[in-house]
Amino acid sequence: GAVVSQHPSWVICKSGTSVKIECRSLDFQATTMFWYRQFPKQSLMLMATSNEGSKATYEQGVEKDKFLINHASLTLSTLTVTSAHPEDSSFYICSARVGGGTDTQYFGPGTRLTVL
Amino acid sequence: AQSVTQLGSHVSVSEGALVLLRCNYSSSVPPYLFWYVQYPNQGLQLLLKYTTGATLVKGINGFEAEFKKSETSFHLTKPSAHMSDAAEYFCAVGSNDYKLSFGAGTTVTVRA
Repeated sequence: GAVVSQHPSWVICKSGTSVKIECRSLDFQATTMFWYRQFPKQSLMLMATSNEGSKATYEQGVEKDKFLINHASLTLSTLTVTSAHPEDSSFYICSARVGGGTDTQYFGPGTRLTVL
Repeated sequence: AQSVTQLGSHVSVSEGALVLLRCNYSSSVPPYLFWYVQYPNQGLQLLLKYTTGATLVKGINGFEAEFKKSETSFHLTKPSAHMSDAAEYFCAVGSNDYKLSFGAGTTVTVRA
């Protein structure tokens, strides 16, 4: 149980294009989903918190117009990197929380984005 | 505000030897503490967590961690390392809004 998937697992795009990454909770409903960014050999940095049916809350320094987050249902959140540039290349990981006081986050396998 | 410090970015152990990964935290409220493992190009897998109650927490794959409030520590141990334990390990502290703050990570290599 508690499986989270991400699609795609890797993507290469040209500078200036937009890329959408999907995060799905496969066997549970996720009240809250989180998006992280991880640079090589570094830790995870929280980008934003996404609650179903409401606007995402972004961490300080994260451009909300560049990283668009939509949490349309209890099992799906999407992150769209708009007008991607090479510095946006990174490993993006989502996680999902069941809710109801549960503190555990279940992580997706990550999406490797490379912007040329 | 919460923060985590993992002492030692890289730990190398012999197969069968003790694995000890150090984690110290800072938290303004009673902490939720976690250890996650990450294999190359994969997401994070929960090893164990501490919320309340027993301070010695047992997790998957033979790992355990002990919450020591007086030392603000949550060190991870495994009595006997296996080759499959080679991975990146992250300690994290949770806040009341369920956000996680991660340590910098410790890379474990296991020597045959």
